[in-house]
Amino acid sequence: GEDVEQSLFLSVREGDSSVINCTYTDSSSTYLYWYKQEPGAGLQLLTYIFSNMDMKQDQRLTVLLNKKDKHLSLRIADTQTGDSAIYFCAERGGNGGSQGNLIFGKGTKLSVKP
Amino acid sequence: DVKVTQSSRYLVKRTGEKVFLECVQDMDHENMFWYRQDPGLGLRLIYFSYDVKMKEKGDIPEGYSVSREKKERFSLILESASTNQTSMYLCASSSGGAFTEAFFGQGTRLTVV
Repeated sequence: GEDVEQSLFLSVREGDSSVINCTYTDSSSTYLYWYKQEPGAGLQLLTYIFSNMDMKQDQRLTVLLNKKDKHLSLRIADTQTGDSAIYFCAERGGNGGSQGNLIFGKGTKLSVKP
Repeated sequence: DVKVTQSSRYLVKRTGEKVFLECVQDMDHENMFWYRQDPGLGLRLIYFSYDVKMKEKGDIPEGYSVSREKKERFSLILESASTNQTSMYLCASSSGGAFTEAFFGQGTRLTVV
């Protein structure tokens, strides 16, 4: 079945770059997503990448996609304490139609130390 | 501002009680979802609905049921709450189509004692 895997924890120092990695199984995924969950809140879409792209940059965020290895990464440049959160990788479930349920990884908890 | 609203942030219920978690979205989305979130397990899909009165089981439907009588409202029902259903419950909605941005509510932290 479909599965999305990512490491559970990452700790970095303020100002360093953070790289969160994810592997997925469904090679037919059209879009791949990164969601962010701040403490006590629901998830919010952070960024996404279309499957025919290798890279997408959005200010401090860079998403890299390796379709051959089914590997997705999120790089946060100049990480700030406000970036401390749980980051979820997601792909669209293969249940067909337009229902669009997302398959989420377990989430990577990013801790930023001052 | 788009919004998914869950009726309660925190709930404490007794074992065996029937529990209703309500979710309302104001974006006219076709799809609505209920997830539970547990440490180390991430988000697990309980049920989803892609139309009024339609429902599909997710990965962990046992012990839960759902109701979608109106497009904007999706209810999760715990028929007889048990302690292993203590968790954070997240509701989400999305439109159809190839690009799927899911909008999430703030979550309901349910404790069953």
